[in-house]
Amino acid sequence: AQKVTQAQTEISVVEKEDVTLDCVYETRDTTYYLFWYKQPPSGELVFLIRRNSFDEQNEISGRYSWNFQKSTSSFNFTITASQVVDSAVYFCALSEARGSGGYQKVTFGTGTKLQVIP
Amino acid sequence: DAGVTQSPTHLIKTRGQHVTLRCSPISGHKSVSWYQQVLGQGPQFIFQYYEKEERGRGNFPDRFSARQFPNYSSELNVNALLLGDSALYLCASSFRETAYNEQFFGPGTRLTVL
Repeated sequence: AQKVTQAQTEISVVEKEDVTLDCVYETRDTTYYLFWYKQPPSGELVFLIRRNSFDEQNEISGRYSWNFQKSTSSFNFTITASQVVDSAVYFCALSEARGSGGYQKVTFGTGTKLQVIP
Repeated sequence: DAGVTQSPTHLIKTRGQHVTLRCSPISGHKSVSWYQQVLGQGPQFIFQYYEKEERGRGNFPDRFSARQFPNYSSELNVNALLLGDSALYLCASSFRETAYNEQFFGPGTRLTVL
C-alpha cells in the first residue's frame, strides 16, 4: 500500500526566512508520481509540481524548489525568502500507475501548516 | 477559463439524511475524482470516473456512490449520513484518468452533519 508521511504538522517562520517542508513516501511500484499541492484558507487545493519516479532532477521555480531523492524516498519542498502569502497548508501526494487500466488513486499526506509571520 | 466548480458551497444535514454534491470539471477534462477531507487531515480518495465509468474506488462504505454524466459533470451521493461524514468534499478534474495527470481541484463543499 502506498503511504505519504509529512512529519511536520505546523511550522512558523519569520518573513524572508527559508523553510523546508519534508515528505517521505512508501510505494512498491517502480512507476509513480509525486505532487505538491498548496491549500490556502479558502480551501481550494492548488497544484504546484509533479515529478515522476524516473526523473530525479531537482527543480526550481522562482522561490520554490524541490529535492527528489529516491534513495531516501523523499520529496522535499523548500521556499526561499518566505512571504506572508506563502501561509497555507501544503500537501505532498503520491499517485501510482496501475497498468493499462490505470486510474488516479492519489494518496495525500496529512499536510504541513506553514505560518509566515511578518 | 472556468475552473472546477462545485455546488453547494456549504450544506447542513442531520443524521440519516441523504445528500447530493455536484461538480463541473474544467472544459475538456474527462476525468473527475472525489475526495473527502476531514478537518486537519489530507484528502482521502473516494472515487474516480472517466468517460462515465467508475475507474477507481477508495475505502469508503457503499453509502457513498457517484456517477458521471455525458457532459462529464459528476454527482456524489451519500446515504444514511453519519456524524463522521462531516468534512470538506473536494472534486478534482483532469484531462485523462491516468496517474500522470495533474488534478485541478474545486473549492469544495463543506458538509456538516448534526
